[in-house]
Amino acid sequence: DTGVSQDPRHKITKRGQNVTFRCDPISEHNRLYWYRQTLGQGPEFLTYFQNEAQLEKSRLLSDRFSAERPKGSFSTLEIQRTEQGDSAMYLCASSLIGGAGTGELFFGEGSRLTVL
Amino acid sequence: DAKTTQPPSMDCAEGRAANLPCNHSTISGNEYVYWYRQIHSQGPQYIIHGLKNNETNEMASLIITEDRKSSTLILPHATLRDTAVYYCILPGGGADGLTFGKGTHLIIQP
Repeated sequence: DTGVSQDPRHKITKRGQNVTFRCDPISEHNRLYWYRQTLGQGPEFLTYFQNEAQLEKSRLLSDRFSAERPKGSFSTLEIQRTEQGDSAMYLCASSLIGGAGTGELFFGEGSRLTVL
Repeated sequence: DAKTTQPPSMDCAEGRAANLPCNHSTISGNEYVYWYRQIHSQGPQYIIHGLKNNETNEMASLIITEDRKSSTLILPHATLRDTAVYYCILPGGGADGLTFGKGTHLIIQP
């Protein structure tokens, strides 16, 4: 399967704990995006990378959130000191910009976080 | 401020064409219109995109008005599996353009 994969698919944690999500994009894609989605809402943009460079962050990305894409391939999203309001689906997407790419985003199935 | 406006929900009978409108009156000259859909409990799925010409692929057709201030996504023969939330977005121009809004919840009735 060459789609976007995310791990874990589900995570239940207690308030105050740290959690980390991993995203493996489609291999030749140079952009990687993180979104958050709460019930009944559309996906909200968090941040994106062009190769290994983090180019943009949403104001939603508080200082408890950090994302990395160290070698321009997989990415991690870490949430420190989780709060109940962090409970959401965290979606990763990738795209190819330039060359033959037309910019559409390919999404993974998401990682659902529940903070108790 | 939202960059696109869509009706919150629509119904369509199975086998009929589903026409989903989107207003994007603040679109700039080089911004593409993208459509995605999200079936319950899945990640969003790309459908189609266009700049100013009408586009068609195996999933849908996209009609963009001449002034580019609105567009319509057409699913020519809707099936029950087309029940989903459909999002119209303008991905150009910063972080706001990458947020999806609430979309249109399309319900296909048997």
